[in-house]
Amino acid sequence: GQNIDQPTEMTATEGAIVQINCTYQTSGFNGLFWYQQHAGEAPTFLSYNVLDGLEEKGRFSSFLSRSKGYSYLLLKELQMKDSASYLCAAMDSNYQLIWGAGTKLIIKP
Amino acid sequence: GAVVSQHPSWVICKSGTSVKIECRSLDFQATTMFWYRQFPKQSLMLMATSNEGSKATYEQGVEKDKFLINHASLTLSTLTVTSAHPEDSSFYICSARDLGGDSEKLFFGSGTQLSVL
Repeated sequence: GQNIDQPTEMTATEGAIVQINCTYQTSGFNGLFWYQQHAGEAPTFLSYNVLDGLEEKGRFSSFLSRSKGYSYLLLKELQMKDSASYLCAAMDSNYQLIWGAGTKLIIKP
Repeated sequence: GAVVSQHPSWVICKSGTSVKIECRSLDFQATTMFWYRQFPKQSLMLMATSNEGSKATYEQGVEKDKFLINHASLTLSTLTVTSAHPEDSSFYICSARDLGGDSEKLFFGSGTQLSVL
C-alpha cells in the first residue's frame, strides 16, 4: 500500500532549528512536497524535491533520499509565526498526492 | 506568483439542496485540478482529479453522482455537492497544477467550509 509517516507533534524554541522527518511508500514517485498549514487555512506550498539532495530556500530547507524513501524539512531561526502544521506529500506515478497526517509544530518563546 | 481562487469560502445550506464550489487558476492554465476534503484534525483527502475536457477521476469511496466535477476550461473547475446531507459538512479545498517553470507545483485555493443543516 501507499503511506506517509511523519511525527504527530514537535516542540521547539524560538530562534532554534528543527527538523521534521517524513518517510514514504508510493506506487511510483514523482516528487515530494512540503506544505505549511495554519489552523483554518489551506496549505501553502513550501518545497518540492524530485532529485536526491538538499534544496535550500531561505530559512527553510528540504532534503530527499529516494533510495531510502525519506525526506526532511529543516527550519532555521524559528519564529513564532512558524507555529503551524507541516504536511509531507508524495506524488505517485499517477500524479496523485499521498498526504501525511501532518506534524504540528509548536514554537515556545 | 500563481494564484488559485476558490469560492465561496463559507456556505451554509439546508439538507437536500445542492452547493457549487468554484476553483479558478488566475494566472496560469491548469489542465489538471484536484479536489480535497478535510475533516477536523485529519489531513487532506483527495476526492478526485479533474482533467480539462474529460471526465474526472474519482478516488475509491467517493460517490461521483454526489460530487459532480466539471472542468470545462483550462482555468475553471467546479465541484457540486448534490443533495447535501449533514455528513457532507467539511472543509473542501481545490488545487491546480502548474506545469510551467522549472518544476511542477501545486497551488491551493483558500478552501470552502460547508455546513449542512
